[in-house]
Amino acid sequence: DGGITQSPKYLFRKEGQNVTLSCEQNLNHDAMYWYRQDPGQGLRLIYYSQIVNDFQKGDIAEGYSVSREKKESFPLTVTSAQKNPTAFYLCASSLGGNQPQHFGDGTRLSIL
Amino acid sequence: GENVGLHLPTLSVQEGDNSIINCAYSNSASDYFIWYKQESGKGPQFIIDIRSNMDKRQGQRVTVLLNKTVKHLSLQIAATQPGDSAVYFCAENWGRNAGNMLTFGGGTRLMVKP
Repeated sequence: DGGITQSPKYLFRKEGQNVTLSCEQNLNHDAMYWYRQDPGQGLRLIYYSQIVNDFQKGDIAEGYSVSREKKESFPLTVTSAQKNPTAFYLCASSLGGNQPQHFGDGTRLSIL
Repeated sequence: GENVGLHLPTLSVQEGDNSIINCAYSNSASDYFIWYKQESGKGPQFIIDIRSNMDKRQGQRVTVLLNKTVKHLSLQIAATQPGDSAVYFCAENWGRNAGNMLTFGGGTRLMVKP
């Protein structure tokens, strides 16, 4: 089935550690996105990529990094500089333009 | 669910009744709107979308209404079922950075009583 796969479903980070969240899509979508979701809030955009080898900061990019070396993959690294990383992280993809974004089932990141 | 808001506005309806979920959007330049449904522990699921050149669009058991004059969007669910219980988000696209950039509302929790 076509879709977006995020892994792992749960992830724990130690102090000072970088962790990487995986996002893979087989929808042949050009655009991919990373969002953060906290309780009581909607989704906030971390990074987005409209094409391979290109990405842009979203509203809350500090403490995060991404790469887009392949069309189907858009991994997110939560660095030690992100002081409040506990959240639910969602990856999405779309054809671009006024087309809906389709989401994976998220990764919940917690601090040990 | 642990990944959705603890203090979201809540709409409680009886099974079989119609539900109306409202959303006030922020930017008069927005030209594309989407409704998503999010169940506990899952990612948002696309329900229906509408472009700004329309004021109504219907899907299966759902209708989206757009009032650009007052920047208001609503989602109507007919004959609400227990499986409709979830958090619903509206999102708008106002062409930020010339890309498909969505800005999400805070969400409304729908609870369906059997």
